[in-house]
Amino acid sequence: QTVVTQEPPFSVSPGGTVTLTCGLSSGSVSADYYPSWYRQTPGQAPRTLIYRTNTRSSGVPDRFSGSILGNKAALTITGAQADDESDYYCVLYMGSGSWVFGGGTKVTVL
Amino acid sequence: EVQLVESGGGLIQPGGSLRLSCAASGFTVSSNYMSWVRQAPGKGLEWVSVIFIVGNTYYADSVKGRFTVSRDNSKNTLYLQMNSLRVEDTAVYYCASTRDYAFDLWGQGTLVTVSS
Repeated sequence: QTVVTQEPPFSVSPGGTVTLTCGLSSGSVSADYYPSWYRQTPGQAPRTLIYRTNTRSSGVPDRFSGSILGNKAALTITGAQADDESDYYCVLYMGSGSWVFGGGTKVTVL
Repeated sequence: EVQLVESGGGLIQPGGSLRLSCAASGFTVSSNYMSWVRQAPGKGLEWVSVIFIVGNTYYADSVKGRFTVSRDNSKNTLYLQMNSLRVEDTAVYYCASTRDYAFDLWGQGTLVTVSS
């Protein structure tokens, strides 16, 4: 069974840079998995940040960027702000009409 | 305004059935891939099902054989028929339009609680 891995809870200082990653329990993540990223605050629906590895969704500020770093997909937040405190999820398209989400990473800004 | 509105959640006993609806406005359900994603209380997101434009349907292993996704083009609405419900199906269920292999427009979710 495929497991998509994300970091445990993470802290970043205001104005700092944080990079979250999205890996596979077996194998490497490439653009062929069409990695996408979402943020979610408690009680709210997820919001799309990045799709197709590095394309920002409409209205997403350019301090959010996506990439492939080594064998993982990555989401980088540059100049972290207090309202960036969220849970961040990645999801990979596994082919044949199926997707697998990572377990999410809780980011705290303090 | 482009939006998705889910309904149909509630409290149901194990083994029961429930049908969720997702009404779309501002875009056409049948012209988009449409997915269901769920989130158990305090847990992460889990992809559940997708229906392609041509009508192909796919499911997560955890719901295969029990859940059925469909759409009514005349009502511009997506459905999720859930049968043989289990306690572990308790979650907020979101519908989402699916483009470029990502979930781009999300509804606000509807809570399904499976409990005796």
